[in-house]
Amino acid sequence: DGGITQSPKYLFRKEGQNVTLSCEQNLNHDAMYWYRQDPGQGLRLIYYSQIVNDFQKGDIAEGYSVSREKKESFPLTVTSAQKNPTAFYLCASSYNRDSYEQYFGPGTRLTVT
Amino acid sequence: AQSVTQLDSHVSVSEGTPVLLRCNYSSSYSPSLFWYVQHPNKGLQLLLKYTSAATLVKGINGFEAEFKKSETSFHLTKPSAHMSDAAEYFCVVSDLDQAGTALIFGKGTTLSVSS
Repeated sequence: DGGITQSPKYLFRKEGQNVTLSCEQNLNHDAMYWYRQDPGQGLRLIYYSQIVNDFQKGDIAEGYSVSREKKESFPLTVTSAQKNPTAFYLCASSYNRDSYEQYFGPGTRLTVT
Repeated sequence: AQSVTQLDSHVSVSEGTPVLLRCNYSSSYSPSLFWYVQHPNKGLQLLLKYTSAATLVKGINGFEAEFKKSETSFHLTKPSAHMSDAAEYFCVVSDLDQAGTALIFGKGTTLSVSS
C-alpha cells in the first residue's frame, strides 16, 4: 500500500529539548510539506521541499528545521527556539509542487511541558 | 492573495437530516477548491475537488459541493447525515506562488451528529 507514515503518533518532551518528527512516503512524490495544526487555526505551512536536497520556508518556519536527503523522507526538527511547540503536526506530499492534490499522513501530536 | 472563510466553526445536526457546511473564498483568478475531512487525531482525507470543470462536484461518502462564482462560495452538502460523518471539515483554496501551488486552509468546521 502506498502512503505516508509519521512516527511516533504521540510525543512528549521537556521544554528546552530538540525533537525530531519522522515523515516517510512511498508514493514516489517529489514534493513534501510540514504543517502545524492548532485548535481553531486550520493548518499552517512550516516548510516544504520540491526535490531532494532542497527546501523552502513556509509561513511559520521560525524555530523549526528540516532536511531532505532522500526522496522518501522529510524529517522535521522542533528546536528549543520554538516558543509554543505543543501542537499536532501533519506531513503531506504531492506529485510535484505544481500539483494541488496533497496526501496527508496520520499526524504526530507533540506535547512539550 | 487567495483566502478562504468557513462561516461556521461548529455545526450540529441529527442523524438522517441534511448537512450544510459553508465556505466563501477570495481569489483574483479562477481557483481550484477542495474539501478535506479530518477525524479525531487523524490525518486529512480529500472529500472532493473543483478544478474548473463541472460546478457541481460529487465526492466520497455522499458529499457534494457546488462552485458558485457569483457568490464566491463552495458550500459542502450531504442529504442525510450519518454518525460516522462527525469530524472536522476544511475548505481549501489553491494559490499560485513563485514556487508552485500552495494550499490555503480555512479554520475548519466541526460537524457533530446526534442520534
